[in-house]
Amino acid sequence: YVLTQPPSVSVAPGQSARLPCGGVNIEKNKRVHWYQQRPGQAPVVVVDYDNDRPSGIPERFSGSKSGNTATLTISRVEAGDEADYFCQVWDASTNHWVFGGGTKLTVL
Amino acid sequence: VQVVESGGGRAQPGRSLRLSCRVSGFVFGDYALTWVRQAPGKGLEWVGFVRSKSFHATTEYAASVKGRFSISRDDSQSIAFLQMNNLRGDDTGVYYCARLSHDYGGAYFDYWGQGTPVTVSP
Repeated sequence: YVLTQPPSVSVAPGQSARLPCGGVNIEKNKRVHWYQQRPGQAPVVVVDYDNDRPSGIPERFSGSKSGNTATLTISRVEAGDEADYFCQVWDASTNHWVFGGGTKLTVL
Repeated sequence: VQVVESGGGRAQPGRSLRLSCRVSGFVFGDYALTWVRQAPGKGLEWVGFVRSKSFHATTEYAASVKGRFSISRDDSQSIAFLQMNNLRGDDTGVYYCARLSHDYGGAYFDYWGQGTPVTVSP
């Protein structure tokens, strides 16, 4: 199973950032998790099971799915949101996890 | 919850390294653990995982490491291991240990260590 993410997305502070993650039938067949990785740090889960937020993650982070695309939306983007973002799913046919290639979010 | 990896370093191609993952702050035996690596300047790559004792501590591996890497756990010491044999240059990267949110497929990785670097070069 392959997850496709654009290498980069840019957004101005205060605007919304939409980070797509493409996968075949992702809406119908997969549960998607999203991780944020700031430079030099370990990844942190920001959205799990499509649209749940772990404790401590701001409400500005949300997830959605439609057709072959899952989307992480970050509302009212702040400078501190600048990071790499990775989507992840479980591939039950192989018992493997799969990560997307990651998107670098730049706050202009 | 704390997750701390150790054992990284430099190794020549074809040699072995064993990484350790020490955890605290939760009942170690109740959770599955996974290893994820990141080559320099690249994305995350899932390496493998070990289920809890409830699921017989069985393991799964990515195709890129299957047959060369193995994961084990010692619940009495709250530690997991990644044994890496027959190392290759493309095994170079930072290796992270993480806890699974629950012990079955579809879980997410809720607690991560800071990673330990591995360099494979002649």
